Amino acid sequence: DQQVKQNSPSLSVQEGRISILNCDYTNSMFDYFLWYKKYPAEGPTFLISISSIKDKNEDGRFTVFLNKSAKHLSLHIVPSQPGDSAVYFCAASANSGGSNYKLTFGKGTLLTVNP
Amino acid sequence: KAGVTQTPRYLIKTRGQQVTLSCSPISGHRSVSWYQQTPGQGLQFLFEYFSETQRNKGNFPGRFSGRQFSNSRSEMNVSTLELGDSALYLCASSEVGARGYTFGSGTRLTVV
Repeated sequence: DQQVKQNSPSLSVQEGRISILNCDYTNSMFDYFLWYKKYPAEGPTFLISISSIKDKNEDGRFTVFLNKSAKHLSLHIVPSQPGDSAVYFCAASANSGGSNYKLTFGKGTLLTVNP
Repeated sequence: KAGVTQTPRYLIKTRGQQVTLSCSPISGHRSVSWYQQTPGQGLQFLFEYFSETQRNKGNFPGRFSGRQFSNSRSEMNVSTLELGDSALYLCASSEVGARGYTFGSGTRLTVV
């Protein structure tokens, strides 16, 4: 049972345009969401996160939107740059009452930004 | 601050052998998690350790095991390797109570 789903395996956009990556989740206990970026042969690097008490978080060119009622979040990259080409993973965690915050990941979306 | 260090970076093993992977977390980070990444499967959670205790375990067979030492360094072991164990194994560490993890570069394991 996949609790975090990224339904688009790949996305291609032109440099300077907006990239929108989507993520859906099924577990209503998830209260913290993260996006990681991953280049080949490297580990994932943290990009941006959002708590369930917010519906938007912005960091430079990256904005994450959370729609709790739809159990949906999205990552917007504006403007997109060729260096943004990578696999983007959506991840979620639930507050189990302790300090135990296991991350559940989606399968990733390969973003290609064309010059 | 040094990042999460995983050794070795690359490993080739024969089916049936066993392998041990090592992870040194960021200094001060006491939680260490392990993930397996295979093509098309994303990152699958293996287990998480905190203060030398396994707190959480994913849905992997008993051939996959791990441990954490008093200095927070962690190892994972895979016994009786199968071809399907070929993957990128990622270690991640975090501070107590942190909601996100910092990942290492991974160990690429190839089973032939």
